[in-house]
Amino acid sequence: AAGVIQSPRHLIKEKRETATLKCYPIPRHDTVYWYQQGPGQDPQFLISFYEKMQSDKGSIPDRFSAQQFSDYHSELNMSSLELGDSALYFCASSLVRAGETQYFGPGTRLLVL
Amino acid sequence: AQSVTQPDIHITVSEGASLELRCNYSYGATPYLFWYVQSPGQGLQLLLKYFSGDTLVQGIKGFEAEFKRSQSSFNLRKPSVHWSDAAEYFCAVGALDGSARQLTFGSGTQLTVLP
Repeated sequence: AAGVIQSPRHLIKEKRETATLKCYPIPRHDTVYWYQQGPGQDPQFLISFYEKMQSDKGSIPDRFSAQQFSDYHSELNMSSLELGDSALYFCASSLVRAGETQYFGPGTRLLVL
Repeated sequence: AQSVTQPDIHITVSEGASLELRCNYSYGATPYLFWYVQSPGQGLQLLLKYFSGDTLVQGIKGFEAEFKRSQSSFNLRKPSVHWSDAAEYFCAVGALDGSARQLTFGSGTQLTVLP
């Protein structure tokens, strides 16, 4: 079965640079979620989109923004990167009318130097 | 606000032994509960979930979990652990009201399996 796809899988940036992470949800899923997992930490919810509209917002810094496009893929844009942004970023997708079980992608590991 | 507590940071068991990972949640209404497993450097794989109905749920890889409302618990169990089960296990709670669809995770339990 098709899974959530994230790209790139690994990304190295320097402080103050920008990064764009992409997420392709499971086909026909209508909701996308972004989570950040710092080293040794549990995943923390950042933001979610339902039918291309922002649905929930968590602990997402103002330097980050995200959107969901007409083909349901989502992008997380991160600007003015800081060392503390180094983390594993997960995307998850779900189908609202199927109980909203979230299926996670493999993650993008971001390292800020 | 919802919260999840996993009291055991690290558990070590011998291969073939039984396993129970504890999870306690706090949520005002009926929670939606999940267990995910994460191998090093990997994504989160869903083991099982509880939405409603039978409080004992079966998952993949021989895992099961029991929802106990009176104890606000959703403990994960496996009768006989395999070496490949070594990983980090996260309990998570979710909800379906408009403002809380996101998952809240516990801090995780790292499982080590001895040969």
